[in-house]
Amino acid sequence: QLQLQESGPGLVKPSETLSLTCTVSGDSISSRSYYWGWIRQPPGKGLEWIGNMYYSGSTYYNKSLKSRVTILLDTSKNQFSLNLSSVTAADTAVYYCARVLVVTPGAFDVWGQGTMVTVSS
Amino acid sequence: DIVMTQSPDSLAVSLGERATINCESSQSVLYSSNNKNYLAWYQQKPGQPPKLLIYWASTRESGVPDRFSASGSGTDFTLTINSLQAEDVAVYFCQQFYITPWTFGQGTKVEI
Repeated sequence: QLQLQESGPGLVKPSETLSLTCTVSGDSISSRSYYWGWIRQPPGKGLEWIGNMYYSGSTYYNKSLKSRVTILLDTSKNQFSLNLSSVTAADTAVYYCARVLVVTPGAFDVWGQGTMVTVSS
Repeated sequence: DIVMTQSPDSLAVSLGERATINCESSQSVLYSSNNKNYLAWYQQKPGQPPKLLIYWASTRESGVPDRFSASGSGTDFTLTINSLQAEDVAVYFCQQFYITPWTFGQGTKVEI
């Protein structure tokens, strides 16, 4: 059974870089059948798509964050990561990693439990 | 960006009754070449990640009870929960994946 688990610091200082990792178990992130993505949700608010990555290295980022976001795959560890630079309080949110099937390109069918990241000095 | 607007923001429904949630997109999410609407619905319970209920606007994800149904095309979509159960209390989101950035509605809270 596929499982995704986010990990990383729960507190990041303003202007620093937020770095999270999603560990995938039960399937390979090198599969051609999936994209791997990140979504965030500020406390009490809605969902914002951050970006996706395909096994080939192709990336798709939300243009509102594009200049600050990097998503990378580590196939040796079956993990993918999110780096968000120059963070501010507005980046405080629960961050989710999720899978997208290539055949339904954009519907997130499996999600991690999420990890809360607070940006504060 | 495509703006997704849900209505109502919240609704209270009696157990066993029907809940109807609307979602409107600021532009069509119907892809003419395959006649598919690039729209999904999710359910999010407190403290949990969203759960995919519906994709292609009306196709139920495996394991989703058949009391959940959805319809619509182009810019107007509806999620219906027939015979509401206590476990259906949640926030429901629509999402378009027609064009990036993929965007979500603001959510509709369903209560008993």
